[in-house]
Amino acid sequence: SQQGEEDPQALSIQEGENATMNCSYKTSINNLQWYRQNSGRGLVHLILIRSNEREKHSGRLRVTLDTSKKSSSLLITASRAADTASYFCATDAVFYYAGGTSYGKLTFGQGTILTVHP
Amino acid sequence: EPEVTQTPSHQVTQMGQEVILRCVPISNHLYFYWYRQILGQKVEFLVSFYNNEISEKSEIFDDQFSVERPDGSNFTLKIRSTKLEDSAMYFCASDTARGNQPQHFGDGTRLSIL
Repeated sequence: SQQGEEDPQALSIQEGENATMNCSYKTSINNLQWYRQNSGRGLVHLILIRSNEREKHSGRLRVTLDTSKKSSSLLITASRAADTASYFCATDAVFYYAGGTSYGKLTFGQGTILTVHP
Repeated sequence: EPEVTQTPSHQVTQMGQEVILRCVPISNHLYFYWYRQILGQKVEFLVSFYNNEISEKSEIFDDQFSVERPDGSNFTLKIRSTKLEDSAMYFCASDTARGNQPQHFGDGTRLSIL
């Protein structure tokens, strides 16, 4: 798989249920970020988790990071119809080259389309 | 909350024409980025920009592309001679420091090449 691959590709749940999305990546990372995109709109930043962190919370969102498995998960608890959107993980991988260090370039996955039915 | 703003929201251009996409990053941000998303595909990095010069660019960012920060607020992406395959959503992003800071994205410009 490529850097920043999410699964499942699509997830359909009922309001009130929890939604879990997973992301796998290949290279060493500086951090991993989760974004939401409503149809035809821009990317909204949800959570950033650094490579030395294992878990972060923000409201109904919980993100975990396992650098040994090169994977992350996003959990949305007590989902609402308004959570319907595409969710992307993006990795900020560290590259060292002769001219210096490259970071800040985000590599996105294909995304998970979440549908929450009222 | 401060936002990244992009104009226009939709640009329709004939193949071979030049197009300029405009972005106003968040005012205290120092690092600027362009990404694109072809319909149904992943968001792809194009270029990063800091201190009035390109920091990094992808393979997509060939000689047809250029970026500029013409004044203290605008950040532009120019495509000199557009091709059909340039049709995509183009996103501008900014952050306060490369690495370990969230990138804030604009709503994008949908570019349609005819």
